[in-house]
Amino acid sequence: EAGVAQSPRYKIIEKRQSVAFWCNPISGHATLYWYQQILGQGPKLLIQFQNNGVVDDSQLPKDRFSAERLKGVDSTLKIQPAKLEDSAVYLCASSLVAPPEGEQYFGPGTRLTVT
Amino acid sequence: AQSVTQPDIHITVSEGASLELRCNYSYGATPYLFWYVQSPGQGLQLLLKYFSGDTLVQGIKGFEAEFKRSQSSFNLRKPSVHWSDAAEYFCAVFSGYALNFGKGTSLLVTP
Repeated sequence: EAGVAQSPRYKIIEKRQSVAFWCNPISGHATLYWYQQILGQGPKLLIQFQNNGVVDDSQLPKDRFSAERLKGVDSTLKIQPAKLEDSAVYLCASSLVAPPEGEQYFGPGTRLTVT
Repeated sequence: AQSVTQPDIHITVSEGASLELRCNYSYGATPYLFWYVQSPGQGLQLLLKYFSGDTLVQGIKGFEAEFKRSQSSFNLRKPSVHWSDAAEYFCAVFSGYALNFGKGTSLLVTP
């Protein structure tokens, strides 16, 4: 079966610009996650969707980050305006059922560089 | 919030040697614990998980981990390392709705 797809794979922007990332989860997976992985650290959950509803967005910087999951399938994560400290790899993951029982399958990530 | 600590940032082992990566958790009750591997250019992959029951857990790629409540540890082991095992390894604990990951241990395998 196809894995989690993400695009773009790389993005370079200047600070204060906006950027959007796209994720297509594994077909049939109800739960979708966005993580931020800063160099030298483990992934940090930004937001978790169950179908098209938000389960947890407690670590999402809502003044500049937003995410949506249309029709409970694809999802987009947006940053506006970007700051230097947003430079990171943004990982999307999906699972058939909610955690912890649901195994999370990760996409390859989008590497964002903010200059 | 529950958290994990991976004391070793980098580990170097010779190919064929045994491996142990350390993970300590902070949690009162029995935690849900995971080990993931992240290879260059690839996504994170689940190696194994512990929820309850047998404290020795078998995973993919010949890895195993042992849950020790008395030491608050969940160390990952492999009896004989292959060059393809070179990667970043993350321990994680389920907390609230989310997985909390450690900072990772980078494994280098020498010939």
